[in-house]
Amino acid sequence: GAVVSQHPSWVICKSGTSVKIECRSLDFQATTMFWYRQFPKQSLMLMATSNEGSKATYEQGVEKDKFLINHASLTLSTLTVTSAHPEDSSFYICSAAPRDRALNTEAFFGQGTRLTVV
Amino acid sequence: AQSVTQPDIHITVSEGASLELRCNYSYGATPYLFWYVQSPGQGLQLLLKYFSGDTLVQGIKGFEAEFKRSQSSFNLRKPSVHWSDAAEYFCADNQAGTALIFGKGTTLSVSS
Repeated sequence: GAVVSQHPSWVICKSGTSVKIECRSLDFQATTMFWYRQFPKQSLMLMATSNEGSKATYEQGVEKDKFLINHASLTLSTLTVTSAHPEDSSFYICSAAPRDRALNTEAFFGQGTRLTVV
Repeated sequence: AQSVTQPDIHITVSEGASLELRCNYSYGATPYLFWYVQSPGQGLQLLLKYFSGDTLVQGIKGFEAEFKRSQSSFNLRKPSVHWSDAAEYFCADNQAGTALIFGKGTTLSVSS
């Protein structure tokens, strides 16, 4: 099956610093990647949709200047949390939609990144 | 708007007993439905999915789910629960090429 690798799996950073999370599709090309956030004991909430070579589409209430998304290639999308604050501490998960339409009915998830801002 | 409802926040089942987790979807067109399991601090693991065809879907770890259009439901079942099944279960729905919409999840506890 298709594999999505997310890095790092966990990160601790100081308040005010920025953190970059990478999401890579290892054995397929992904035209679309999705970024989700999950607070403790809650469900996954879609933050943004990124399409290769174009600007990401953010969900209502998600600050695009705070959560910078770059999808520069068909195998890599990055989420940068800028000027992180403790309230940004969360579990961030990416998923990728394959370019191959035959596979395009399933989302493949990364293993998630636990961000803790101190 | 598209939505997924999991009516049960927390369920406790005795080990060896049967399990059914409920899921209802609201999107009118043919849904693409999924069940995922998440252990604490871990990512998501796909249990099974339904796109079309046979409405009874078999998944991994002995799970199955039945799509019932008349009830807008896609309930997850397992005939005999093991202690290792204790986890968070998410039902999700999407239209091809779009992001998944997740239910709020059901926490499964297994008692001995």
